[in-house]
Amino acid sequence: ILNVEQSPQSLHVQEGDSTNFTCSFPSSNFYALHWYRWETAKSPEALFVMTLNGDEKKKGRISATLNTKEGYSYLYIKGSQPEDSATYLCAFGPLYNQGGKLIFGQGTELSVKP
Amino acid sequence: SQTIHQWPATLVQPVGSPLSLECTVEGTSNPNLYWYRQAAGRGLQLLFYSVGIGQISSEVPQNLSASRPQDRQFILSSKKLLLSDSGFYLCAWSLTRRGHGANVLTFGAGSRLTVL
Repeated sequence: ILNVEQSPQSLHVQEGDSTNFTCSFPSSNFYALHWYRWETAKSPEALFVMTLNGDEKKKGRISATLNTKEGYSYLYIKGSQPEDSATYLCAFGPLYNQGGKLIFGQGTELSVKP
Repeated sequence: SQTIHQWPATLVQPVGSPLSLECTVEGTSNPNLYWYRQAAGRGLQLLFYSVGIGQISSEVPQNLSASRPQDRQFILSSKKLLLSDSGFYLCAWSLTRRGHGANVLTFGAGSRLTVL
């Protein structure tokens, strides 16, 4: 059974704080690691897809890193804003994966207070 | 551009009643299609995926079934709902790149099902 774990489960920060979350995934049979942001009353939206060990991706104040050998990825948010409040999901894409299916973690719920 | 439509958005059904959730994709051909469920307090669980018309793969044994009668149509069904079927259901699509998990998923708006 492929298990994807995210921590913390929830996080409450003040506006301006920087924060980071962790996603742990199987290091064997790895092909891709995805991050999605899911805002309340909206659909999950893709932030990043990473495939190479050492990959770093950045979009505005949000960045992510990938370590495939040890099986973890970090998502960083610099200077959190209230509009960053959402659930952040990571998803593991295994190798030899007909249909391109993804295994999701349980998410980290971020709340940013003004 | 591609769009995905999912309906109904909300439904309340009695135990033992049938279910049909529908999802359609526009602006692309031969997409991979997926049904995910978020049960209360849990992450997204993959229920079914399809790589083509009539091709359905089930990920977990359950009371639900899926069908793909047309290239861009994906239907989630049940003949008799159980209380445990309550949850938030998301349809998603991705480009077809067989054998890999780097396909970005685009999700529908979701359907919240409450079984009483």
